[in-house]
Amino acid sequence: DAGVTQSPTHLIKTRGQQVTLRCSPKSGHDTVSWYQQALGQGPQFIFQYYEEEERQRGNFPDRFSGHQFPNYSSELNVNALLLGDSALYLCASSLGPRSNQPQHFGDGTRLSIL
Amino acid sequence: KNQVEQSPQSLIILEGKNCTLQCNYTVSPFSNLRWYKQDTGRGPVSLTIMTFSENTKSNGRYTATLDADTKQSSLHITASQLSDSASYICVVSAHSTGTGTYKYIFGTGTRLKVLA
Repeated sequence: DAGVTQSPTHLIKTRGQQVTLRCSPKSGHDTVSWYQQALGQGPQFIFQYYEEEERQRGNFPDRFSGHQFPNYSSELNVNALLLGDSALYLCASSLGPRSNQPQHFGDGTRLSIL
Repeated sequence: KNQVEQSPQSLIILEGKNCTLQCNYTVSPFSNLRWYKQDTGRGPVSLTIMTFSENTKSNGRYTATLDADTKQSSLHITASQLSDSASYICVVSAHSTGTGTYKYIFGTGTRLKVLA
């Protein structure tokens, strides 16, 4: 039973570029949430997707956008990259958008902006 | 402002010893509280989830407590092992009845190092 898988594992970009990160949820899960984790900090909630729609969003600018596909996989897109976007981006999946459902995290994509 | 504060920031203990990590929160309206373990370079793994009515929950050598009145939680690790070396993150969920949405507020974590 595959858990949450994220790709790529590492990525290096330069300021102003655009990036797309990908996430496949755990088998049987239909809800995907994205988080940004700066070094030494706790994860910060970016947004959550359920039924192919963004259901809720954290305090992130519009440069951060996403998508969920019919097979429940998801993408996180970041435009006009800034140095401050360097972080570990985590994807978590769960069954349904209710917060009392356990979330399963992937191992993240390490994004470095030069 | 919704906040989750964890203490200590870091902790070093000897293998076999017990330890307790603290989490204080100011999150409203409270939905549930979770503890996660995050190994270096890996994603967080859920240890426990507690709702308002639960005050203790165990998962093997990990025991979490919740005092909803004082808005405090603790994670107790018994007979520590080298593999317990990790960051432990407290997450509190707030539910907005108006919009029906949830907010997830993460603490910055406690970095635990277990020495042989």
